[in-house]
Amino acid sequence: GNSVTQMEGPVTLSEEAFLTINCTYTATGYPSLFWYVQYPGEGLQLLLKATKADDKGSNKGFEATYRKETTSFHLEKGSVQVSDSAVYFCALIVNTGGFKTIFGAGTRLFVKA
Amino acid sequence: GAVVSQHPSWVICKSGTSVKIECRSLDFQATTMFWYRQFPKQSLMLMATSNEGSKATYEQGVEKDKFLINHASLTLSTLTVTSAHPEDSSFYICSARDRISGISNTQYFGPGTRLTVL
Repeated sequence: GNSVTQMEGPVTLSEEAFLTINCTYTATGYPSLFWYVQYPGEGLQLLLKATKADDKGSNKGFEATYRKETTSFHLEKGSVQVSDSAVYFCALIVNTGGFKTIFGAGTRLFVKA
Repeated sequence: GAVVSQHPSWVICKSGTSVKIECRSLDFQATTMFWYRQFPKQSLMLMATSNEGSKATYEQGVEKDKFLINHASLTLSTLTVTSAHPEDSSFYICSARDRISGISNTQYFGPGTRLTVL
């Protein structure tokens, strides 16, 4: 089946620390991969995406590379800020008789000043 | 960029009443909209897929008679929670797929509606 597994949170970092949030997936077919961010009390915002192997999605200092050989799409940022505190969702879309988004459980990130 | 709005952003209602939530794509046409439910500190659960001009497709375990979905135009989908009960209290989020770039599979999410049933 299709699924997304994210590292459990919460992740707590100090400002300017390096961030990695692991994400692996299983999929029948060739999925597109996404990272979404949800700030407190808000809906989801698309952070970045990649649609084929070895593609690197990047936005706002965050980046993730589509690794087909390891079925992974880890999110990284070199220097986090307090404003990055949010919940991050890894997701994939496959065409299973319609394009459905499958979300990981989400990883909560706290960044301390 | 593509914007999806939801109205209301929050609503409090009495048990037994019905609540309608609107989802609009503001600057693009969406043939497909999705409705999700999110419990506190949990991921999004897909409730149903709404296609313009046709009946919604509900996920297993979602009561179609309780959660009525209407997608009457390319820019508007509504979710009506009928005879709401406290267990229906949740954060409801809609998303829309751009009709033109549908193959890109990018979904644009609304800001969510927090429903509290007393």
